[in-house]
Amino acid sequence: ETGVTQTPRHLVMGMTNKKSLKCEQHLGHNAMYWYKQSAKKPLELMFVYNFKEQTENNSVPSRFSPECPNSSHLFLHLHTLQPEDSALYLCASSQGLSGGSSYEQYFGPGTRLTVT
Amino acid sequence: KNQVEQSPQSLIILEGKNCTLQCNYTVSPFSNLRWYKQDTGRGPVSLTIMTFSENTKSNGRYTATLDADTKQSSLHITASQLSDSASYICVVSSRGGAGNMLTFGGGTRLMVKP
Repeated sequence: ETGVTQTPRHLVMGMTNKKSLKCEQHLGHNAMYWYKQSAKKPLELMFVYNFKEQTENNSVPSRFSPECPNSSHLFLHLHTLQPEDSALYLCASSQGLSGGSSYEQYFGPGTRLTVT
Repeated sequence: KNQVEQSPQSLIILEGKNCTLQCNYTVSPFSNLRWYKQDTGRGPVSLTIMTFSENTKSNGRYTATLDADTKQSSLHITASQLSDSASYICVVSSRGGAGNMLTFGGGTRLMVKP
């Protein structure tokens, strides 16, 4: 798990709070991803960054704001969330973009988010 | 619409027994298919990745098969162990174009009991 780290591992926040999730990869990869995993639903891709540039935004509400200052770090800024946003948020990285290629994605342990 | 369906949704088996998990997909154009294992409270970890030309690939006690004609894949676990208890996720990658084209299945939750 030291390849991709995420902090915090658990987060409880109110609907009016502002918080940030952090992801760091130590693998020298160029692509990073944010996923949402809700109970009994498939993994949902939220954002994709390649060489710090956002290449995909899967119609994610603006209350989720990603930031990628460099190829090793990825943030997800949260504000005015809803209870239905409670989920496990997973970060992943890959050498190149995984879609349409054999580049393997390496996942972090996730942040368990609860919105009250 | 690209879709990946996995069955069963959940499965309970006794330690030492074998089991097979299924994955059917309608993703096109196909690039590759991956199986991941996700332990509770952790991120998914890759088990196998198979391209169009590969029919079978093994990783220890895990053996994945792919039938590109029928668009089906299976993951066979031999001599199950308690540590195999996890969710198993099938992911299909589409070929071509820019961006990230991965379609995820809903997973099969496996519980191995002593």
